[in-house]
Amino acid sequence: ETGVTQSPTHLIKTRGQQVTLRCSSQSGHNTVSWYQQALGQGPQFIFQYYREEENGRGNFPPRFSGLQFPNYSSELNVNALELDDSALYLCASSLSGRRGYTFGSGTRLTVV
Amino acid sequence: QQPVQSPQAVILREGEDAVINCSSSKALYSVHWYRQKHGEAPVFLMILLKGGEQKGHDKISASFNEKKQQSSLYLTASQLSYSGTYFCGSSPNNAGNMLTFGGGTRLMVKP
Repeated sequence: ETGVTQSPTHLIKTRGQQVTLRCSSQSGHNTVSWYQQALGQGPQFIFQYYREEENGRGNFPPRFSGLQFPNYSSELNVNALELDDSALYLCASSLSGRRGYTFGSGTRLTVV
Repeated sequence: QQPVQSPQAVILREGEDAVINCSSSKALYSVHWYRQKHGEAPVFLMILLKGGEQKGHDKISASFNEKKQQSSLYLTASQLSYSGTYFCGSSPNNAGNMLTFGGGTRLMVKP
């Protein structure tokens, strides 16, 4: 059983640029969520996809967008990067929220 | 509004017990508990659903009091492997998704 894999593991971008982060869900999981985790803090919910449709969104601006593909892999896109976007971005997949989520190890994004 | 966890940090000797609390000002439908070691992904420990249940596996258990909007995680006879940051996550619905996580409790177990 494969877990959740994320790529890249680290990324450095310049303010104003755009970035795409990728996530491969655990086999059989049809729900994927994205979280932003600042240093020393708990993960913050960005949005969730279920069978290719966004079905929940946290308090993040529209420049944070995503996609889920038919194989349930997912992308997180962030436009017009700001310094405060520097964080660890975690992807989590699940068959059902009531069974808990499997998290990936994250992508560390640094905006300079 | 995120759940509030207490304490923020705790240091234990191997074999000692600890309790981590999680409280919310909003109604809780379900509570998730995760442990994250430094530089690693959060790992799912357990979920508690509405109904005031208590769950556990091995020497880690948890309770959920929906009336008080609180959950507690109990670590018994702690082991070195228990070290890490523990997060509780609350869900706004019965589906147990779209989690709002607390700020975390850093636990260190020393030999």
